[in-house]
Amino acid sequence: GQQLNQSPQSMFIQEGEDVSMNCTSSSIFNTWLWYKQDPGEGPVLLIALYKAGELTSNGRLTAQFGITRKDSFLNISASIPSDVGIYFCAGVREYGNKLVFGAGTILRVKS
Amino acid sequence: GAGVSQSPRYKVAKRGQDVALRCDPISGHVSLFWYQQALGQGPEFLTYFQNEAQLDKSGLPSDRFFAERPEGSVSTLKIQRTQQEDSAVYLCASSFPTLIRPGNTIYFGEGSWLTVV
Repeated sequence: GQQLNQSPQSMFIQEGEDVSMNCTSSSIFNTWLWYKQDPGEGPVLLIALYKAGELTSNGRLTAQFGITRKDSFLNISASIPSDVGIYFCAGVREYGNKLVFGAGTILRVKS
Repeated sequence: GAGVSQSPRYKVAKRGQDVALRCDPISGHVSLFWYQQALGQGPEFLTYFQNEAQLDKSGLPSDRFFAERPEGSVSTLKIQRTQQEDSAVYLCASSFPTLIRPGNTIYFGEGSWLTVV
């Protein structure tokens, strides 16, 4: 089963609002990744984080790798309708290749 | 091809039937992964290949699941005597280097949607 705790499970927000979601774990991860999955599609990488404390942006998206290496958050600013989808965090342990995924955050946007 | 290609996209199997799911990774990608995604859940790791070598199969749920990558490119995930709990999306992913580091990433296919009736 999932070893990453992702929250919230779902969000229903107004267009233009900012969004924040996070992932926590009891284990240390060396890499944190954030993916978005649209219905009927595979996950698409949004942001990758490789160092503790790293803060990285990709357009309206900002993600941070927690200093303890056990957590990460993703922020989306000024949400738009096409942000709708399921967002997954994923972690990779040291010297590993296997991704461990959270259960996902379902984002719905009211326009 | 430009991305990871999976076939079939959709498969309906009768319980007890064998199925084979194919993955064409991005050309030249050394690493290939299979994940299983149940409805409403995140993907869960099944198995990992580096070239033709299956280095980790710890996620395969039972001995009815078998994966191969004989020539280090195309991979097939086979499920024997399918059961209803096998219904899920099976995702294939590939990456060029063997370790995730800055500049490298894992690319996912669109998945094969298996329904066992």
